[in-house]
Amino acid sequence: NAGVTQTPKFRVLKTGQSMTLLCAQDMNHEYMYWYRQDPGMGLRLIHYSVGEGTTAKGEVPDGYNVSRLKKQNFLLGLESAAPSQTSVYFCASGANRGAYNEQFFGPGTRLTVL
Amino acid sequence: KNEVEQSPQNLTAQEGEFITINCSYSVGISALHWLQQHPGGGIVSLFMLSSGKKKHGRLIATINIQEKHSSLHITASHPRDSAVYICANSGGSNYKLTFGKGTLLTVNP
Repeated sequence: NAGVTQTPKFRVLKTGQSMTLLCAQDMNHEYMYWYRQDPGMGLRLIHYSVGEGTTAKGEVPDGYNVSRLKKQNFLLGLESAAPSQTSVYFCASGANRGAYNEQFFGPGTRLTVL
Repeated sequence: KNEVEQSPQNLTAQEGEFITINCSYSVGISALHWLQQHPGGGIVSLFMLSSGKKKHGRLIATINIQEKHSSLHITASHPRDSAVYICANSGGSNYKLTFGKGTLLTVNP
């Protein structure tokens, strides 16, 4: 099993360009998440999904859109990139184990917006 | 609002020392998570606990529900333990986590 994979690993954009980050999981998890990680700050939730065809806003959703057309994939889109979106992006998938929601993380995508 | 605070932010130790990282949270939980992130690397789950204590090798996690506090201990620390340790709690949600800012641990040989 590959677990959670992210594409691409690195990307440099110019302000105003668009791109899509792809997250894929092969663990049949219902929940999927997109986070951003910035220096001095904890992981912050951008958007999440509780099942195929559903999406919801997290803590910092502005400037991002998501789609979950297939259970195994969760796409994060930047329509018009801004320097403030320079960050490391992590995707995660999750499974409920009783009281616990265990999350499994992808390797991250380092995005720089010039 | 669910808030998670970690201390210290940075910790430097000599190989073999006993390490303690602390985590306090504001909202009652269903589970408290400890995760590890190596420099430039991915994030892996170390522990999930809702009461008492859990042990895995040289790592021990404890939680005090009444005081809304958890600790991660590392016994006989080693340079390979150098990483960022992150605390997170569910704050009553069964599918979302709130994360602390992390503690950067450096263990010198």
